[in-house]
Amino acid sequence: SQQGEEDPQALSIQEGENATMNCSYKTSINNLQWYRQNSGRGLVHLILIRSNEREKHSGRLRVTLDTSKKSSSLLITASRAADTASYFCATGGLGGGGNKLTFGTGTQLKVEL
Amino acid sequence: DTAVSQTPKYLVTQMGNDKSIKCEQNLGHDTMYWYKQDSKKFLKIMFSYNNKELIINETVPNRFSPKSPDKAHLNLHINSLELGDSAVYFCASSQEASGKHEQYFGPGTRLTVT
Repeated sequence: SQQGEEDPQALSIQEGENATMNCSYKTSINNLQWYRQNSGRGLVHLILIRSNEREKHSGRLRVTLDTSKKSSSLLITASRAADTASYFCATGGLGGGGNKLTFGTGTQLKVEL
Repeated sequence: DTAVSQTPKYLVTQMGNDKSIKCEQNLGHDTMYWYKQDSKKFLKIMFSYNNKELIINETVPNRFSPKSPDKAHLNLHINSLELGDSAVYFCASSQEASGKHEQYFGPGTRLTVT
């Protein structure tokens, strides 16, 4: 069964607004990653947060992790039309399985001009 | 100078045929992966190789056989193709020796079985 469930499934916002996507997972993790996928393309790694971290920033991206609730959120600030894509969270397992990623269902983000 | 490349980009074939997809990475990474993405965009890991050694082998029909001739290449051979094999297959790589779990994905191979 899937590890990650993402919410919402689809999100439509205006350029300049912030976009927030949530991810919930079921088992203990080593790390949680967020990826972006443009239509018809491969996935692009955005950010990785380790299980002992609570928040991480990268440019316009802010990721939080709450291991007690088994959830994470991705915030994209001041969105642009070029941010239109599908966003996936992926969890890495414990032990030597940090790279064995289990992907969520994805959030389709549409940023309109 | 593409980091992770796959060939072919599109593959249309009939049921029962055997086909191969090739993947190469020029990032110097030690670990490579194959993923399958279905029509609902659900992405699932199939295999992973570290320094040419199979380390992840998910519940995949044995019609799928990965081969890693060297650290930079990971190919996927599929025998007796079935309609349900239609999907986009992604290759990825990462540098696990340095503890970095970020994965770099190829552009994907869209396989259509008719």
